[in-house]
Amino acid sequence: KNEVEQSPQNLTAQEGEFITINCSYSVGISALHWLQQHPGGGIVSLFMLSSGKKKHGRLIATINIQEKHSSLHITASHPRDSAVYICAVSLYSGGGADGLTFGKGTHLIIQP
Amino acid sequence: KAGVTQTPRYLIKTRGQQVTLSCSPISGHRSVSWYQQTPGQGLQFLFEYFSETQRNKGNFPGRFSGRQFSNSRSEMNVSTLELGDSALYLCASSLDLAGTYNEQFFGPGTRLTVL
Repeated sequence: KNEVEQSPQNLTAQEGEFITINCSYSVGISALHWLQQHPGGGIVSLFMLSSGKKKHGRLIATINIQEKHSSLHITASHPRDSAVYICAVSLYSGGGADGLTFGKGTHLIIQP
Repeated sequence: KAGVTQTPRYLIKTRGQQVTLSCSPISGHRSVSWYQQTPGQGLQFLFEYFSETQRNKGNFPGRFSGRQFSNSRSEMNVSTLELGDSALYLCASSLDLAGTYNEQFFGPGTRLTVL
C-alpha cells in the first residue's frame, strides 16, 4: 500500500479553470512537499509545508495535519501549468530527515 | 547562486557494466539525497548523505552505493547493471540546518539507459 495517495491521476481542463489536486498520507510526517515536473524530467519544489496554508502567485497549498490531507490549488490555470504535480512527504527520524516518499503524481493538461 | 548540477545528463550502458553518476549541490548545502524515477515505480528514495556519511538508505540492493566528498559533492555507483536499472536518477540538496527539515532542491537528473 502506497503511503502517499494522490488524486486525480490525470486531469485535463480548460485555460482559466480552478484546479485542485489532492494528496492523502497514512503516516506521521515532518513536512509535505508539492513538486512540479515538466517533460524532460527536471523537478521544481513548489511548496514545503507542515501546517496551514501557503500561497505563491496563482498556486495555493493547504495541509490538514489531523486529517492527513493536503491540496494544491491553481487559480486562473494556463497552458504553461501543464506538468506532472507530485506530492511527497518527509519523516523525521531524529538524526536527520528521511528521504522523501512520493505519490504517483497527477498529470495535468491545460488546454487553450 | 548556481543550482544543483548532475553529470552526465545522459548515459547508455550494457548489462553487467557499472556506472558512476555525479552530483554537485548548491554551494553551502550539506545534505545530498539520491532518487530513482521509473515509469513503473515512480520516484523512490535511494540514499542520503550528510557530512560524508550515509545517513539514510532506501530499499535498494547493495549494487547501489554512494559517497560524499568533503566539498559535499556526491557520487552514486551502480554495479552489475540490469535492464531494470534504466531510469532517471535525480539528486537533491538541502541546507540541513540543525533541528529543522529543509526544502530540497533538485538537479536536472541523469537519464540512464541499460541495453
